[in-house]
Amino acid sequence: EDQVTQSPEALRLQEGESSSLNCSYTVSGLRGLFWYRQDPGKGPEFLFTLYSAGEEKEKERLKATLTKKESFLHITAPKPEDSATYLCAVQANTGGFKTIFGAGTRLFVKA
Amino acid sequence: GAGVSQSPRYKVAKRGQDVALRCDPISGHVSLFWYQQALGQGPEFLTYFQNEAQLDKSGLPSDRFFAERPEGSVSTLKIQRTQQEDSAVYLCASSPLNWDTPGPLHFGNGTRLTVT
Repeated sequence: EDQVTQSPEALRLQEGESSSLNCSYTVSGLRGLFWYRQDPGKGPEFLFTLYSAGEEKEKERLKATLTKKESFLHITAPKPEDSATYLCAVQANTGGFKTIFGAGTRLFVKA
Repeated sequence: GAGVSQSPRYKVAKRGQDVALRCDPISGHVSLFWYQQALGQGPEFLTYFQNEAQLDKSGLPSDRFFAERPEGSVSTLKIQRTQQEDSAVYLCASSPLNWDTPGPLHFGNGTRLTVT
């Protein structure tokens, strides 16, 4: 069964304190791995797509990387406005039309 | 341009009532998805439309849930005889891509359904 597990569930950082969020996945053939950001009361907002192991994508203070079993979202020198829930999701060859989401990591950045 | 629009934003229903949730996808988007998100959890797949065809409804939790997209644009998710366990945020997402091309989803802000 295709599965996505994110850790930690919650992460509290001081402003400027860099860290990483983990997404472990088990799929029968990865078609794409996605990172989304979700603010309270809003829908998920697309951040990155990664297709193959070794691929990296960057946007401002965020950098996403992918291996054959997991993905990391690195946050460099975070600011309070980076506080949100970060969701990892996969599309698999056997998943048909589904994008399967993890439960998310809630990030709190304190000034 | 305009994003995915969902209405109503909030819905309170008494147990046993029927509800209808509406989704206006981004114009021209072929694919439309419905997801259910419980508090503190990630979105869970309910159903998928490619244009007007419902190609996957495997995630619908019971036969009380029904979705349609008759003209390939606006979609409605209907829940009959609501139960307390139906309380959740219902998210709609659209994509310009067909199902066989992996790509990101564009989400609306959801409808928060509370069943009392």
